[in-house]
Amino acid sequence: DIQMTQSPSSLSASVGDRVTITCRASQSISKYLNWYQQKPGKAPKVLIYAASSLQSGVPSRFSGSGSGTDFTLTISSLHPEDFATYCCQQSYSTPWTFGQGTKVEIK
Amino acid sequence: EVQLVESGGGLVKPGGSLRLSCAGSGFTFSNAWISWVRQAPGKGLEWVGRIKTKTDGGTTDYAAPVEGRFTISRDDSKNTVYLQMNSLKTEDTAVYYCTTEPNNWNYAGFDFWGQGTLVSVSS
Repeated sequence: DIQMTQSPSSLSASVGDRVTITCRASQSISKYLNWYQQKPGKAPKVLIYAASSLQSGVPSRFSGSGSGTDFTLTISSLHPEDFATYCCQQSYSTPWTFGQGTKVEIK
Repeated sequence: EVQLVESGGGLVKPGGSLRLSCAGSGFTFSNAWISWVRQAPGKGLEWVGRIKTKTDGGTTDYAAPVEGRFTISRDDSKNTVYLQMNSLKTEDTAVYYCTTEPNNWNYAGFDFWGQGTLVSVSS
């Protein structure tokens, strides 16, 4: 199975800050990496698919980059509604696997 | 509007069984691959398994922790996918979500999700 490791596991940031979350795969997954946002008690919501493609309806302050084993999710300017948990997921081979999540908290 | 609605969760004793349902609407259900993803309390997401469309063979795949205990099936006449869970263990305690799985990951992620249903396995 492909292991997905995110860092950091949590971070504190202020509205307006630029936030970067990284995700590393245990083997090359090409560009088959997706990012999700999850708020407490809610289902995840896809933000980015295929490493860098923005899901329809997702604000452009979210962006993704990377290929192979190393990937990044960037929020260019944090909005109040962005405080949530973010996780990556590889779609290279089954079983699909997720990172453990990064909780973005208010500083 | 695309909707997925899970049902069937509840409290069950270790070794027991439970069947979850995932009812879809607002899209052509028979064309959708459906995955189940679970989330244990305070933990991350874990893929459980998926079922392809009848056109794609209707085949299923499972994660190792549930292989041989869980079975996914579908009834397209009812726009419903089922997750039959047998020999339940305490570590199966989680919120279970169904989600549409793209058949081409170049163009989507898991883009539609249900609200989840809680399964608690405890004596």
